[in-house]
Amino acid sequence: GQNIDQPTEMTATEGAIVQINCTYQTSGFNGLFWYQQHAGEAPTFLSYNVLDGLEEKGRFSSFLSRSKGYSYLLLKELQMKDSASYLCAVKGGGSYIPTFGRGTSLIVHP
Amino acid sequence: DGGITQSPKYLFRKEGQNVTLSCEQNLNHDAMYWYRQDPGQGLRLIYYSQIVNDFQKGDIAEGYSVSREKKESFPLTVTSAQKNPTAFYLCASLGQGGPTNEKLFFGSGTQLSVL
Repeated sequence: GQNIDQPTEMTATEGAIVQINCTYQTSGFNGLFWYQQHAGEAPTFLSYNVLDGLEEKGRFSSFLSRSKGYSYLLLKELQMKDSASYLCAVKGGGSYIPTFGRGTSLIVHP
Repeated sequence: DGGITQSPKYLFRKEGQNVTLSCEQNLNHDAMYWYRQDPGQGLRLIYYSQIVNDFQKGDIAEGYSVSREKKESFPLTVTSAQKNPTAFYLCASLGQGGPTNEKLFFGSGTQLSVL
């Protein structure tokens, strides 16, 4: 199986930067996803990391270290609309199906 | 535009009743999935199907059933054997063919509640 751990809740100020961490344990790692989910809505795709390093996409960046079993999602210039749950999901263990962590609820306040 | 359509948005189940959640996609994806989400929890896999006429149990399949008679459709039935069905249900399909395509596309979800 896979074990995925991320903080339950984080708070940050509008305009600031926040880093959401995700650690995982799996055999045969095959990719890591980040999704954003607003309450009562479907998750929307943010990023997919297969190789080590940082991938930047506008205000959002995602980092992966396979040797450490570690990823983070970096959100810059926070906006109120960024208040949502952020889900880390890992493909591994011989399966192509992503396994999701419990998600991190981010609250952005003025 | 291609996408995944789930219906209904809200569904209520009475005791002892079976209910069916609809999921249709026009993305031409082979693989489809059903997830259950409870408050404060991540997504848990109920069933998945890699190809038409084939499906496999996920981590929490008890009390659920599925069919995959057409590539576009993957309905989920919540049976009376599922004693705690209240949850948000998400259907997804998986794109393939390179890092930019290998992501789950989700429907808008169905909130199921027990009367």
